[in-house]
Amino acid sequence: EAQVTQNPRYLITVTGKKLTVTCSQNMNHEYMSWYRQDPGLGLRQIYYSMNVEVTDKGDVPEGYKVSRKEKRNFPLILESPSPNQTSLYFCASSYRDSRAGEQYFGPGTRLTVT
Amino acid sequence: GQNIDQPTEMTATEGAIVQINCTYQTSGFNGLFWYQQHAGEAPTFLSYNVLDGLEEKGRFSSFLSRSKGYSYLLLKELQMKDSASYLCAVILRDSNYQLIWGAGTKLIIKP
Repeated sequence: EAQVTQNPRYLITVTGKKLTVTCSQNMNHEYMSWYRQDPGLGLRQIYYSMNVEVTDKGDVPEGYKVSRKEKRNFPLILESPSPNQTSLYFCASSYRDSRAGEQYFGPGTRLTVT
Repeated sequence: GQNIDQPTEMTATEGAIVQINCTYQTSGFNGLFWYQQHAGEAPTFLSYNVLDGLEEKGRFSSFLSRSKGYSYLLLKELQMKDSASYLCAVILRDSNYQLIWGAGTKLIIKP
């Protein structure tokens, strides 16, 4: 089954404790992206990757890191989480062509930083 | 700058028709997408318009006017399961396929 998986689905952590949210897709998509979604603000892109070893900042990259060592995986790293990073996070993937807007989303990770 | 506007919330009756509008001002345009998102779930792709006109897909249709920077999503024969948020997104030309997202329209269906 074609899918994007994220782990964990729910995470409660404390300020400053490093964490990683994993994302994996099995559709051989070149393009992968991380979003955060907050009430009233819609989806905001954090980082995206056009292919292996190629990553770029989105609209709200501060406080986040990513890596793309393999085509299927695109982990999101919070080196020192803060309460303002409490949010719902989505990973998404797509082909890197005219179909790029047809993105497949993971189920989401709800992060709470206390 | 990039901007996409949608109404925050709309209410409609089961069995009726509703039109959700989206206007955009972006530096470049390479297509417009509509997504549906049920509360607490991931967005799912609904439709894609790159040329002017109407694209029909079952009970859902999407319209685009590039000259006006305007799109709408038309939902017919509304069902209770259509209660969700509907997100409009524009893909920019020459932007590494970056999507700009609207804040979404929450659609409430009443019996």
